[in-house]
Amino acid sequence: GAVVSQHPSRVICKSGTSVKIECRSLDFQATTMFWYRQFPKQSLMLMATSNEGSKATYEQGVEKDKFLINHASLTLSTLTVTSAHPEDSSFYICSAAPEKGPGRTYGYTFGSGTRLTVV
Amino acid sequence: AQKITQTQPGMFVQEKEAVTLDCTYDTSDPSYGLFWYKQPSSGEMIFLIYQGSYDQQNATEGRYSLNFQKARKSANLVISASQLGDSAMYFCAMREGGDSSYKLIFGSGTRLLVRP
Repeated sequence: GAVVSQHPSRVICKSGTSVKIECRSLDFQATTMFWYRQFPKQSLMLMATSNEGSKATYEQGVEKDKFLINHASLTLSTLTVTSAHPEDSSFYICSAAPEKGPGRTYGYTFGSGTRLTVV
Repeated sequence: AQKITQTQPGMFVQEKEAVTLDCTYDTSDPSYGLFWYKQPSSGEMIFLIYQGSYDQQNATEGRYSLNFQKARKSANLVISASQLGDSAMYFCAMREGGDSSYKLIFGSGTRLLVRP
């Protein structure tokens, strides 16, 4: 089945530094990827929709300059948390829908998530 | 306005019994998709079941079935013969539009605990 590889799975960084999270579709091409943020014991909140070859579409209230998204190829999307602060500590997870095939209707494939801790 | 509502923050069920997790949704789009995902403590999102707005029959996948009541805008998940490994967070999600390039919006989730 479709697999999305997300890494790192865990990262601890110092306040003020930037962190890049990668999501890679391994056996399919993902025209569109989605980035979510999840605080402990809460739901997944959509941050942005990443489209290959174009600018990402951010949800209301999400800082574009803070959370940089790049989708340079059909298999790779990256989220960079710039100048991270402790309040950015969260679980970040990406998802993609295969370009073709039954997965297009049935499911969005999720990465395994990245737990970011900013100290 | 909330598009996906899960009113049960937590649920208990006895092992081997059935449990229903509630989900209601709100949309004016005639074409939409409803999903249920399971999230264990590891954080991964596991796809369970899908129901399309035009599907005539309720979806079933093994022990999972979706009680789709379109007029009431509800899409409850039924888990039969609960197992200890079913203990997890369960999220209902909706995609508006018929194309999976549309975003998924999640409900607040229900934490299910299966008792031995």
